[in-house]
Amino acid sequence: GAVVSQHPSWVICKSGTSVKIECRSLDFQATTMFWYRQFPKQSLMLMATSNEGSKATYEQGVEKDKFLINHASLTLSTLTVTSAHPEDSSFYICSARSRGLAGGMTYEQYFGPGTRLTVT
Amino acid sequence: SQQGEEDPQALSIQEGENATMNCSYKTSINNLQWYRQNSGRGLVHLILIRSNEREKHSGRLRVTLDTSKKSSSLLITASRAADTASYFCATAASGSRLTFGEGTQLTVNP
Repeated sequence: GAVVSQHPSWVICKSGTSVKIECRSLDFQATTMFWYRQFPKQSLMLMATSNEGSKATYEQGVEKDKFLINHASLTLSTLTVTSAHPEDSSFYICSARSRGLAGGMTYEQYFGPGTRLTVT
Repeated sequence: SQQGEEDPQALSIQEGENATMNCSYKTSINNLQWYRQNSGRGLVHLILIRSNEREKHSGRLRVTLDTSKKSSSLLITASRAADTASYFCATAASGSRLTFGEGTQLTVNP
């Protein structure tokens, strides 16, 4: 159980175009989803936190108008990189957290396999 | 300031040896988690240790937590070539937000 998928697994796009990445929780309801970015040989940096049905909370330094996040349902969150530039090329990883027993929050996050974005 | 700083940055050992990775953090935490990432892949959750726990085991993994020193260690015993990966610690404070360390690249040579 607790599987998170991402689509696409890799994408190449031209500078100036927009790219949408999907993150789905396959067998549980994800009340909270997180989006991370990871540059080669570096750690994960949290970009934003999204709760189902509400606006995402962005980390300092992350442009919310450039990285549009939508968490429209309990199983799907999307990240759209608008007007992509080569410096946006990175590995984007989502994670999802479910409600635990009796409605309380669990601590564990389940990570998707990541999406490799290359902007040419 | 960066939470979850790890050392060593890279570790190379022979199969069968033990591997120890350390993680330090700066602020109070609710729990600390260790993750594994194979090259170009997503993260796999290994183990979670709460702030009121000192040691936890899971198979060949042993995690310790010293909140007075704000540090944790991950020990992998009897390592295998398949353990080759990057290992990250991540701390969680009062909310759900995780802050990841820089990671340790472990190479286990057959």
